[in-house]
Amino acid sequence: DGGITQSPKYLFRKEGQNVTLSCEQNLNHDAMYWYRQDPGQGLRLIYYSQIVNDFQKGDIAEGYSVSREKKESFPLTVTSAQKNPTAFYLCASREQWGVGSDTQYFGPGTRLTVL
Amino acid sequence: GESVGLHLPTLSVQEGDNSIINCAYSNSASDYFIWYKQESGKGPQFIIDIRSNMDKRQGQRVTVLLNKTVKHLSLQIAATQPGDSAVYFCAENIGGYQKVTFGTGTKLQVIP
Repeated sequence: DGGITQSPKYLFRKEGQNVTLSCEQNLNHDAMYWYRQDPGQGLRLIYYSQIVNDFQKGDIAEGYSVSREKKESFPLTVTSAQKNPTAFYLCASREQWGVGSDTQYFGPGTRLTVL
Repeated sequence: GESVGLHLPTLSVQEGDNSIINCAYSNSASDYFIWYKQESGKGPQFIIDIRSNMDKRQGQRVTVLLNKTVKHLSLQIAATQPGDSAVYFCAENIGGYQKVTFGTGTKLQVIP
């Protein structure tokens, strides 16, 4: 069963704690992305990675960190420096080259709530 | 449930009618456009895409129209069904660039 998986579906965190969201894909896509979604707003790009061991800041990277040690995995850490972390987090992936390579495909999302 | 539908424009349609969802995009250099469907509590699902060298593309029960003159995109859903109830949003991209710009979305409510 191919696709993008995110875990956990729901995550609760106390203020001051770091937390890591998992994103895995078995589509053999080179590029992976993390977005944040808030009610009534479009998706906002946090970080993206075009290739293993490389990643770039998106529009709202402050308070977040990522790693890309394996092609299939792109975990996102929400640090205590993120002032308003409660949101729905979406991971996406995309082929880097070829027909249809412009389309991003999304995982099911993780809802993070800070208590 | 997921609250991404709050404060969004809402389109209410009778089951069986056709739906038209509109999107104004921002960048005249964008050359690739996508429509996504997002159900409550789930990730966005790809519906249909179109490149700027086309002005119309049809899928199964869906049609996307592109008007580059006024930077407008629309999604037409034929014979709308209750399962079509979701938030729909468009995305624009300049080919080869990693960043995609997403619209805020329209909530489609299908009345049985």
